[in-house]
Order: sequence, then structure tokens, then C-alpha cells
Amino acid sequence: QKEVEQNSGPLSVPEGAIASLNCTYSDRGSQSFFWYRQYSGKSPELIMFIYSNGDKEDGRFTAQLNKASQYVSLLIRDSQPSDSATYLCAVTPFSGGYNKLIFGAGTRLAVHP
Amino acid sequence: GAVVSQHPSWVICKSGTSVKIECRSLDFQATTMFWYRQFPKQSLMLMATSNEGSKATYEQGVEKDKFLINHASLTLSTLTVTSAHPEDSSFYICSARELLGANEQYFGPGTRLTVT
Repeated sequence: QKEVEQNSGPLSVPEGAIASLNCTYSDRGSQSFFWYRQYSGKSPELIMFIYSNGDKEDGRFTAQLNKASQYVSLLIRDSQPSDSATYLCAVTPFSGGYNKLIFGAGTRLAVHP
Repeated sequence: GAVVSQHPSWVICKSGTSVKIECRSLDFQATTMFWYRQFPKQSLMLMATSNEGSKATYEQGVEKDKFLINHASLTLSTLTVTSAHPEDSSFYICSARELLGANEQYFGPGTRLTVT
């Protein structure tokens, strides 16, 4: 079992719709959770992070965390073609050492006009 | 804030030569920097973790004598690919964790290495 799992996609949504990206993790003691966006040929950029169970909103983005289910998601409201990218979920494991992040393989999102 | 730079952004070198890549945190101090490699259409692969003033910690399967890492200050880490071969051609990306941050990592723009 991979430590951080994401559906590779592509997830295709129409412009203006809500895109829902999901991520599960195996280390129950994981402390913090991050979402990054990576455009093709570019490096990842941090979208947001979450520590506590529940929802955290930042503009069009909402991160949701359920530690009991070991599940974290990212919702993108009013999706735009410019949101088309690969979204990486990252987790700080309990026994990470040096606080490294464990990345999922990413979900490719395609927003079509 | 939280800007990380890398230099060079791309480099072409001949097989057998060495290449040095610099990673700098421009507006914050980074006790820990990370080096990743990414092949086309694949996920990020963590190569090593470097801490200022101490030896880097390499991930399993990464040759420490081939990928030399130096973290000389709280704002600079370097990765030297020694005796590069075509199979080392990849996208190398560094990231930095802020000294007083919440464990989020900020990535540099990456360095595309092509070994001919």
C-alpha cells in the first residue's frame, strides 16, 4: 500500500463546476496535510495546508480533513481552465524525520470551457 | 514571501562532467532544504534532505557520492551531480522549509538537466 494515494485522473470538469480531488494516507499518526498544484514543466506551488479535522477555506479552494478516515480532499469552486494542472497531496508522517513530506503521485485536472 | 530560487534553470552538459545546482531561500531562513528529482510524467522523488551545518540524509537508492549536497548557510543549499550520465537527465527541484514555519515546503522553479 502506498503511503499517500491519489487517483491519477484525468479528472475532467466543465468550467464553472466544482472539482473534487481526493487523497488517502496510510500513516494514522500523520500530522499535517498539504495541497500543491503543478503545471506541466513547472515546479509545485503550495495551495494550502490543513491540520485539524474539518474544512478550511481559502478563496475558491476548500481543504477537508477527516483523520478518522485518513482522508483529505480539495474542492475547487468555479473551476477555470487555468486550474488545469496536476494536484499533489502531501502528508507529514508521524515518523517522518526532518519533517519531510510524503507526496502522492498527483491527480491531473482538466477544466474544459 | 517564501520565495525560493534555483540556478541555473536549465543546463546541458557532457557525459562525465559535474554540474552544480544552487538553491536559495530569498526572504526566509531555511533550516532544512530538500532535493527532488522528477522524470517526465512521473511523480516527485525525494532524493535527500539537507540541514544547515550537517550532513545530508539520502533516501534509499540515491548515491550520496554521486549527488553531493552542501547546506552551507540558512539560505543556500547546493546539489552537485558528479560524473553525470545521460540517465541523470531530469528535472531537479529543491524546496525549503521555513525555520519558524508550519512544515510547509516552498519549491524552487527547478533545474532541467540534460546530459549528452
